[in-house]
Amino acid sequence: DAKTTQPPSMDCAEGRAANLPCNHSTISGNEYVYWYRQIHSQGPQYIIHGLKNNETNEMASLIITEDRKSSTLILPHATLRDTAVYYCIVRERGDDKIIFGKGTRLHILP
Amino acid sequence: GAVVSQHPSWVICKSGTSVKIECRSLDFQATTMFWYRQFPKQSLMLMATSNEGSKATYEQGVEKDKFLINHASLTLSTLTVTSAHPEDSSFYICSATWGGGTDTQYFGPGTRLTVL
Repeated sequence: DAKTTQPPSMDCAEGRAANLPCNHSTISGNEYVYWYRQIHSQGPQYIIHGLKNNETNEMASLIITEDRKSSTLILPHATLRDTAVYYCIVRERGDDKIIFGKGTRLHILP
Repeated sequence: GAVVSQHPSWVICKSGTSVKIECRSLDFQATTMFWYRQFPKQSLMLMATSNEGSKATYEQGVEKDKFLINHASLTLSTLTVTSAHPEDSSFYICSATWGGGTDTQYFGPGTRLTVL
């Protein structure tokens, strides 16, 4: 079973920041938070991951709360190409498996 | 990022035939590859984990004799759907990692299988 809870869908206006929340209240100390997205009829694409510090790369920022029970993926300037299903996943160190939940379907509105 | 390819991207076959799908890591050596299946409007479901040179580990409910997996080299894994039936029609996706637990999995573009 997935260890995360995400809203089923969200809308965001083009050009605005998209903030996607994820709850992982049972996360353990050695589990990382990963984000992937899947554009329609394509394979999932890695976005970002983190343990406890906030992370930023060219695609997005990941904000993890101090208690690590939730996190937010931020797409700073959403475009139509960001329309996809976004998956928040927790993985234990040493475990290569990814168990996908239902994710959040993000619609970017023109 | 690392590149994973799949071939074919789509395939249509008759019921009862077998179909082979290839998954290749193009710019890294994949110690572990994974096979997923995705039905329309559903999430990805892990089918099996494949380590180079050893037998695949199948998830509960996945028939190992129907979904044959071979990981003969560090850059290639194959999934053969034997005696395919219409209910096997799905989107099959592979991923690859070079291991280490926290290492990222990189996914292929997927293969759309339609069984008539």
